Amino acid sequence: DTGVSQDPRHKITKRGQNVTFRCDPISEHNRLYWYRQTLGQGPEFLTYFQNEAQLEKSRLLSDRFSAERPKGSFSTLEIQRTEQGDSAMYLCASSQTMGLAREGFEQFFGPGTRLTVL
Amino acid sequence: DAKTTQPTSMDCAEGRAANLPCNHSTISGNEYVYWYRQIHSQGPQYIIHGLKNNETNEMASLIITEDRKSSTLILPHATLRDTAVYYCIVRDNNAGNMLTFGGGTRLMVKP
Repeated sequence: DTGVSQDPRHKITKRGQNVTFRCDPISEHNRLYWYRQTLGQGPEFLTYFQNEAQLEKSRLLSDRFSAERPKGSFSTLEIQRTEQGDSAMYLCASSQTMGLAREGFEQFFGPGTRLTVL
Repeated sequence: DAKTTQPTSMDCAEGRAANLPCNHSTISGNEYVYWYRQIHSQGPQYIIHGLKNNETNEMASLIITEDRKSSTLILPHATLRDTAVYYCIVRDNNAGNMLTFGGGTRLMVKP
């Protein structure tokens, strides 16, 4: 299966520590998205890339959050100085741009990384 | 902010059709209606999308009212594996690429 993969699936950390999550998109997909989901809520958009360019990052929750996609393939999401409020599921999704608006805008999601900050 | 309104939860008997409503009264002409679902402990999964016309695929049917202010997702023969949270999303494919999720409808399919 060549779906979106995320690593790790679970992360427990202490408040104040830095954490980094990895996302590997579907190989031919040029767009990659990060979302956050807290318990009982729908996913919340954070940022997205087209190839290696980060085209939207105003929705990142604070300057403690940063994301990279250096070679236009996998991406990392880093949270510095974690807080208990950062505890959530972090979801990655990818898609492929197409020429027609009706095609190709499906986003394929990974299984997520569940972060618990103690 | 989410632009859709959905019931918080619904039940459906296994084998029966599940009809999930969504109100999107402020939808604009460029916005599509998307449906995703999220099974427990998994990432969301695309189901279907449409603009004006009704759509059908191997998973579901999407019925959009003529004024486009509401839609219904139909799972024709619900199974226990269809138990999930279903999200209705309106999105302009030409402006931005994020999906704005609301609270969704928690569908419970019962034997």
